[in-house]
Formats: sequence, C-alpha cells, structure tokens
Amino acid sequence: RKEVEQDPGPFNVPEGATVAFNCTYSNSASQSFFWYRQDCRKEPKLLMSVYSSGNEDGRFTAQLNRASQYISLLIRDSKLSDSATYLCVVGNAGNNRKLIWGLGTSLAVNP
Amino acid sequence: DVKVTQSSRYLVKRTGEKVFLECVQDMDHENMFWYRQDPGLGLRLIYFSYDVKMKEKGDIPEGYSVSREKKERFSLILESASTNQTSMYLCASSSPGQGFFQPQHFGDGTRLSIL
Repeated sequence: RKEVEQDPGPFNVPEGATVAFNCTYSNSASQSFFWYRQDCRKEPKLLMSVYSSGNEDGRFTAQLNRASQYISLLIRDSKLSDSATYLCVVGNAGNNRKLIWGLGTSLAVNP
Repeated sequence: DVKVTQSSRYLVKRTGEKVFLECVQDMDHENMFWYRQDPGLGLRLIYFSYDVKMKEKGDIPEGYSVSREKKERFSLILESASTNQTSMYLCASSSPGQGFFQPQHFGDGTRLSIL
C-alpha cells in the first residue's frame, strides 16, 4: 500500500461546481498535512495546511479525519483558474522524518 | 514572500558531464531540499540539509551529491550525468521549528535533459 494515495482523476467539472478530493495516508503517526497545487510544468505551490479542526480559506475547505486516516479538499464555486493538479502531502514523525507526497489529483474546470 | 531561485529553467548536458544545479533562498531557512519529479512517480527526495555543511540522503541519492557551504545556497551535483537523470529538478526550503513539518516553498524548477 502506498503511504499517500490519491485518485489521479481527471475530475472534469463545470464552472461554478463544487468538487471534493480525498487523500488517504497509511502512517497513523503522521503529524502534518498539506494541500499543494501544481500547474502544468510549474512548481508545486502551497495551497493550505490542514489542521485537526479543519480549516477554510475562501472557496477552499480542508478537513482531517484521523480515525479513517484521510484528508479532504473541497472547492466551492469552481473557477477556470482552479484547473491544476492537487497534491496531498503528509509529514511523518519518527526516525524517518520527511514529507510524503501523493501523486496528485488532476482537476479540469470547464466553461 | 519566500523566494527560492534556481539557477536555470532549462539545461541540456551530455552523458558523463558533471552537472551543477544551484538553488538560493532569501528567507534564512534552515532546511533545504532537492527533489526530482517524473511523470507517474511524483516528487522524490534526493537530498536534504537542515544546516550549513549538513546533508542527509533522501530516497534516491545514487548518482548525486550536494553542497551547502552557506545557509542560503544548496547545490545539487550530478557527478557523471546519465540519460536516466533527465528530469525536472525542484529545490525547496522550509523554516525551522518542527523542521520537516513546516510547509516547503519551491523554486521554479530546472528541466534537465541529458543527451
């Protein structure tokens, strides 16, 4: 089983739609969680950190479910500019401290 | 805003050459990282450094070395370039505190082709 798993998509949605992605992680000791977005042939950019209580930034909402070991990203009122790949990132504790990167979920928002 | 600058956006080198990729950050970050990204494989950590002159191997260090002589600069060296090192190389930095669990900020990336 991969340490961090994402549905690769692509998710094709119309403008204005609400779309949600999930990401599962295998290490129950994981401590930090992030969502990044990556445009084609560009570098990943931090979208938001994910906190235990859940957090919201404008149209974006992130949730953490420790019991089921997944994080989610909800995008409301999708814009054309939201088209990108969304990377789930998990920070693991212990001796092997590092960020584990998912392969990403591709989103295409269509006019 | 954090600024991470990589020396080249595109680079073409020949097999067997020694290749240097440079990365500079302007936020006084302790931690710096080198990744490569390939289709279907995602981001893979090559090396990282949490202090000047310190370095640790990531997941795929073979064929690479690094240098961190100054806090702001982290260099990746391909000792003898091979075609399987053709890839997108990404440098990142993060602030201290919990160290690796701080979000990482990336440079624009270097698309390296080895012919």
